[in-house]
This record gives sequence, C-alpha cells and structure tokens, in this order.
Amino acid sequence: GAVVSQHPSWVICKSGTSVKIECRSLDFQATTMFWYRQFPKQSLMLMATSNEGSKATYEQGVEKDKFLINHASLTLSTLTVTSAHPEDSSFYICSARRTGFEQYFGPGTRLTVT
Amino acid sequence: GDSVTQMEGPVTLSEEAFLTINCTYTATGYLSLFWYVQYPGEGLQLLLKATKADDKGSNKGFEATYRKETTSFHLEKGSVQVSDSAVYFCALSDPTSGSRLTFGEGTQLTVNP
Repeated sequence: GAVVSQHPSWVICKSGTSVKIECRSLDFQATTMFWYRQFPKQSLMLMATSNEGSKATYEQGVEKDKFLINHASLTLSTLTVTSAHPEDSSFYICSARRTGFEQYFGPGTRLTVT
Repeated sequence: GDSVTQMEGPVTLSEEAFLTINCTYTATGYLSLFWYVQYPGEGLQLLLKATKADDKGSNKGFEATYRKETTSFHLEKGSVQVSDSAVYFCALSDPTSGSRLTFGEGTQLTVNP
C-alpha cells in the first residue's frame, strides 16, 4: 500500500514551453501533497505544499507564477513549469500524505529543458 | 529553524563491512525521525523511522535509535551488501511546522564487492 506515482518519469522540452507533471496517490487519499526539487548530488528542496481544494503554499524563493500547482482531488496533484528555461532542468519529486501518516514519495520526474 | 546534519560523504566500503552514517538534528518538541534511501534515478523510499525518544527503527538489517540526549539518529548496518549502494537521507518531522520534512544533505554510500 501507499504507492505514489509520477508521470512522466522523464521529459525533454524546448525553452519557452510549459510542461506538466502529474503526481498520483494510487491506493490512498492524500490530504496533503508536496513538491520537491533536487539538483544533482544534493538534497531535496521543498518547493510547495498543497492541500486538496486549496491554494498551494510556496516556500520562500519559489516563483508561484512559474511553478503552478493544482491539487484538484485527493489523489492527484499537478506541477506545471511555465515558460521553462534550461535552469529549470532538475529532478522533481512529489510526495503524498494522509492525516496521521508519513509522506510517501513518488519516483521522480527528470526534466531537461533545451 | 529545524535542521539536520549528516556526515559528509561519499562513503565507500567493502562488502560485509560495518556501516555507520551519523545524523544529528536541531529541533525541539515531539519529533519523528526518518531515514530515506534513494537509488540512482529514483525517488525516495522510507527505510526506517522512530517516533519518540529511545525508539529504535529497523528494516532490512539497518537500525537507528532516536537519542534525545545527544540529538542524534545514526544509521547502522552490521554487514553491508553491494545492493545497499545508494544515497541515504536523514530527515525529521516537527509537528509545529505541520507535516513538513526537513532533510539532511544526503550521504552517498558505495559498497564494493
């Protein structure tokens, strides 16, 4: 149980385009989902926290207009990187949590912007 | 704010060697402590956890004890295998900051046959 999936697992896009990453909790209802960014050989940086049906809470320094997060249901959250640039290339990881339990992580999405 | 400090890597060991990865934290209150493992190109998997002082988390031969007096949660394994090669992250959850996790820097472990 407690499986979290991400789609796609990797994506290449051109500079200036937008890309959407999906995060799904497959066998539980996630009251809260988190989005992280990870640079090579570094730790995870929390980007934002989203609760179903409400606006995401972004960490300091994260551009909310660039990284759009939608938590439309208890099993799905999406991260859209708008007008992507090469510096947005990174490994994006989501996690999902239900009340009273720990976070379960997705397998990550490798984004490369050319 | 809360912080987690892990021993610097990378760590390279021979198969069957003893492993210790140190983790200390700065936080107060009723914390939960975690060790996560990340294999190349993958997300994080929960390895073990402890939810109160003096608890010992264990899984797959790995152990860690939540030591409040030394604010530590060191990861140990008596005999590592090549398949244990991965990056290990220590993390804490502080109920006063909601369900957020604070991660350490990660420690790369390589086990050679």
